[in-house]
Amino acid sequence: EVQLVESGGGLVQPGRSLRLSCRASGFTFGDYGMHWVRQAPGKGLEWVGFIKSKDDGETRAYAASVQGRFTISRDDSKNVAYLQMSSLQTEDTAVFYCVRGRRPLSGPSGHYFDYWGQGARVTVSS
Amino acid sequence: DIQMTQSPSTLSASVGDRVTITCRASQSISGWLAWYQHKPGKVPRLLISKASSLESGVPSRFSGSGSGTEFTLTISSLQPDDFATYYCQQYITYSHTFGQGTKLEIK
Repeated sequence: EVQLVESGGGLVQPGRSLRLSCRASGFTFGDYGMHWVRQAPGKGLEWVGFIKSKDDGETRAYAASVQGRFTISRDDSKNVAYLQMSSLQTEDTAVFYCVRGRRPLSGPSGHYFDYWGQGARVTVSS
Repeated sequence: DIQMTQSPSTLSASVGDRVTITCRASQSISGWLAWYQHKPGKVPRLLISKASSLESGVPSRFSGSGSGTEFTLTISSLQPDDFATYYCQQYITYSHTFGQGTKLEIK
């Protein structure tokens, strides 16, 4: 059974940093791109960023709203993906989901999302 | 970046109704579109990929169609379990943009 379990959420002051972890099980973690998607209170889903598999060059991409502040990494030996968030703003308050990306067998390099973690709540407030 | 716009934002319907949600892309995404169902307190669920491919385990009352810039999600006969928020998402580019969501409410 595919499982994604986020950890590391909590309350943080504006301007500070926080790192989320996503521990994966039930599949060959190294074969998949891993994404982070967030949902602010009362808002819709927002893609945050992703990291491709090692075979795909571990390419990273980020939403414009977090570019330069957030960094995604992975440790395939531990089956863990990370979201390092810095210079946090109140607008970053959200539930952050770790998501497995599925790439089409043929076609573009983007992914759709087949498995989601339960989410980690991040609150940025003074 | 590609913008995704869903309509309507809110839809009121009754059990047994046929409903359609529309998703428009700001430029062609061919058929690289997915649909998700999200209920409060739950994890989003993948319903459809590549515009019309139903995921395993998703009831056949759900269907998707479209290509280029206009797409639809249709529920042929609403069931009580279907009341939720639905999102489209493009994956032709790395920006992986979601639509703003359509909340399907009980009339």
